[in-house]
Amino acid sequence: AQSVTQLDSHVSVSEGTPVLLRCNYSSSYSPSLFWYVQHPNKGLQLLLKYTSAATLVKGINGFEAEFKKSETSFHLTKPSAHMSDAAEYFCVVSVKAAGNKLTFGGGTRVLVKP
Amino acid sequence: NAGVMQNPRHLVRRRGQEARLRCSPMKGHSHVYWYRQLPEEGLKFMVYLQKENIIDESGMPKERFSAEFPKEGPSILRIQQVVRGDSAAYFCASSPNTGTGEYYGYTFGSGTRLTVV
Repeated sequence: AQSVTQLDSHVSVSEGTPVLLRCNYSSSYSPSLFWYVQHPNKGLQLLLKYTSAATLVKGINGFEAEFKKSETSFHLTKPSAHMSDAAEYFCVVSVKAAGNKLTFGGGTRVLVKP
Repeated sequence: NAGVMQNPRHLVRRRGQEARLRCSPMKGHSHVYWYRQLPEEGLKFMVYLQKENIIDESGMPKERFSAEFPKEGPSILRIQQVVRGDSAAYFCASSPNTGTGEYYGYTFGSGTRLTVV
């Protein structure tokens, strides 16, 4: 079985400062890892994905994440937060052996202060 | 390419009524996944379907919930005799049919927000 732990339920940053959202995963098989963003009352948008290629993954809107197998982590970062980044972010793991169903972390709500 | 289409966007039902949620996958996608998001929580897997087959329903409540994905038409998630605890956002995702071990893309719909009053 696989699981995902997002270490912070809420993160507050000032506009223009870096953002770090932490994610640790557990999986018996080689995982695919994703970050999704959900704006209030909206659907889910894929930010980026890791699927056993390069360990540093660049996504949309300036976000990137690094897969670290030794630490079982897939933290999401952005050098400079923008007001539009205020949303909820989900770290997600998928394993082919589990039928590729997605396992979501509990989410991290990001607040961006002006 | 219209993406994954879910309807209705919002659905209000009285306790004891039935709720039907529809999901049309992206063109060319034959795998559909349903997820439920309770307030202030992450998404939880419910069921995985391919055309005319339920592949994995390990996340479905044992009673009142059912899902289908017919040969023609959208996938339907059906909730009978709804209760207040069924109030949630229900999301559908689709992926292409591929037999390789490569990456499976997931595209989510905008969800159906069910409110039981």
